Amino acid sequence: RKEVEQDPGPFNVPEGATVAFNCTYSNSASQSFFWYRQDCRKEPKLLMSVYSSGNEDGRFTAQLNRASQYISLLIRDSKLSDSATYLCVVRSNFGNEKLTFGTGTRLTIIP
Amino acid sequence: GAGVSQSPSNKVTEKGKDVELRCDPISGHTALYWYRQSLGQGLEFLIYFQGNSAPDKSGLPSDRFSAERTGGSVSTLTIQRTQQEDSAVYLCASSPHGGTSYEQYFGPGTRLTVT
Repeated sequence: RKEVEQDPGPFNVPEGATVAFNCTYSNSASQSFFWYRQDCRKEPKLLMSVYSSGNEDGRFTAQLNRASQYISLLIRDSKLSDSATYLCVVRSNFGNEKLTFGTGTRLTIIP
Repeated sequence: GAGVSQSPSNKVTEKGKDVELRCDPISGHTALYWYRQSLGQGLEFLIYFQGNSAPDKSGLPSDRFSAERTGGSVSTLTIQRTQQEDSAVYLCASSPHGGTSYEQYFGPGTRLTVT
């Protein structure tokens, strides 16, 4: 089983719609969680960190469910510029600095 | 300010040759990471530097891979006797401190093709 699993998509969603992605992680000791965004042939960039209480940044909402070991990302009122691959990222243990990336979920917003 | 830079941006090499990939982190960032991303795959961690030392080399796939960092700044990833399965985009990232509660800033990557 992969350490971080995501539905690869593609998700093709009309502009203005709401879309949600889930991600599951296998290591219950995981400590930190993030969503990164990667545009085609570009480097990943941090979209948002994911906190236990859930957090919101404009049209984006991230939630963490430790009991079920999944993370979600909700995008409201989607824009054409939201088209990208969204990477779920986990850090497992204190003192272990590496990030483990999911393979990403590809999103295309359709005009 | 200047972001993370990597060179070369593209490298085509013949199987069996050695290659060196360079990363210039953001000035003042003490932590530096190397990842690679194969076609259709997620990012795979290779090695982490804190200053000039590498506390975590667990991701290096074989002894053909090595990395060093000098002066707490520039890092070089070396692949000896390249194989076709080494073809990937090699990404470098830096962050202000160790501890991944800090954002990692990625460079544009080096696309390596082994023929």
